[in-house]
Order: sequence, then C-alpha cells, then structure tokens
Amino acid sequence: DAMVIQNPRYQVTQFGKPVTLSCSQTLNHNVMYWYQQKSSQAPKLLFHYYDKDFNNEADTPDNFQSRRPNTSFCFLDIRSPGLGDAAMYLCATSKPTGYSNQPQHFGDGTRLSIL
Amino acid sequence: RKEVEQDPGPFNVPEGATVAFNCTYSNSASQSFFWYRQDCRKEPKLLMSVYSSGNEDGRFTAQLNRASQYISLLIRDSKLSDSATYLCVVNWGLNYGGSQGNLIFGKGTKLSVKP
Repeated sequence: DAMVIQNPRYQVTQFGKPVTLSCSQTLNHNVMYWYQQKSSQAPKLLFHYYDKDFNNEADTPDNFQSRRPNTSFCFLDIRSPGLGDAAMYLCATSKPTGYSNQPQHFGDGTRLSIL
Repeated sequence: RKEVEQDPGPFNVPEGATVAFNCTYSNSASQSFFWYRQDCRKEPKLLMSVYSSGNEDGRFTAQLNRASQYISLLIRDSKLSDSATYLCVVNWGLNYGGSQGNLIFGKGTKLSVKP
C-alpha cells in the first residue's frame, strides 16, 4: 500500500501558468518535505514542515510556495513556472527524532514539464 | 557548505562481482547516515541506514568512519536487479525540537550489472 502518495504523476503546464502539486501520507509523520530533482542531479530540498512550522531553504526561489492544511496533506505551489522549473518533484515524510536514524519515505514523484 | 561527495561512476560490473562505493561528507556533526537506491525516473528508496558499528543486510554491508567522515557500501554477488543509482544521504544537524534536520543527498553513484 502506498504510504506517501503524490498526484499527479505527470503534470504539464504552460510557461507562467500557476500549478499545484499534491502529496498525502498515511504514515502520520510530523515532517513533510518537498524536493526538486533534475536529471542526473541529487534531490534538492526546497522546504519542509515540522507539523505546522514551515522551514524554507535559503536558496529556494520565492516562486515556490507550500501549504500544509493538516498532517496528511502538503501542497507545492509554483506561482509562475519557468522552463528551468521542469523537474521531478518529490515529496517525503519522516518522524522527528534527533538522535536516531530516521529515514525519509518518498512518494513516486511528480514529473513536471513546462511548455 | 553542505557537501556529500560520491564518485558518479558508472561502475560496470559482471553479475556475481563485488562492488564498493564510498561517500564523504563535510559536516562532522552529522549523526544520521543512509544509503538510498534510485532507479531511472523513479523516487529514491531506502536501502539501508548506516550505523556506527557497521551493519549488514543480506548482500549489502554499510560502514561508517566518523574520523575520516566517509561511508561505504559493499554489494556482494551483484545481481542484474542491483543496477541503479546509489545515493549517499547524510543529515545536517538538528532542527526544531529534536527533528534530525535536513538530509543532504549526494549526486549518486551509478551501478550497471551486466550478464
């Protein structure tokens, strides 16, 4: 059973047209993450939520926003997608522990294309 | 600067071979270490956590050397199905009430196992 679910799997949008990607989880994890991964590159963290606390990475463009209305759902909003935003977007969740190895669990990803 | 460095490969090995990957990280305060596997155009999946004393899971053995700040992954008796990119992942300190903080991904080492 899928535990971190991303929708849609593939998203095509037009240059400059706002787009929202969604992520839901059945793991009841406190922490949810959004990553951007381009071809042959490592996943790059955009931001994460610890419960309702939002943590933005310093180099995440303002064009990227996120919402977490409840524990189970988290959204990635791209306000004005540019060609450089075409990538795989990965959602992940984890438990919040400071001293033990707590891995992140990834959804299947949404592959975003910009026309 | 947050850095996790890996040899990108590709490592091309015959079935049955033993292959080893290394990874170095720059933050001496890191406490959580993982190896993830990522198949082409798929999400990263946890292969194994890496513990201080080293750990083994079937054909896979992970080692951590804190003094030298490197992690290794050994795959014995390689199978065709082991072909993938292997991502070294390290946490970057503590954040928010004991959360393990962000995970930093290496760019991955590509493994290709040939018949």
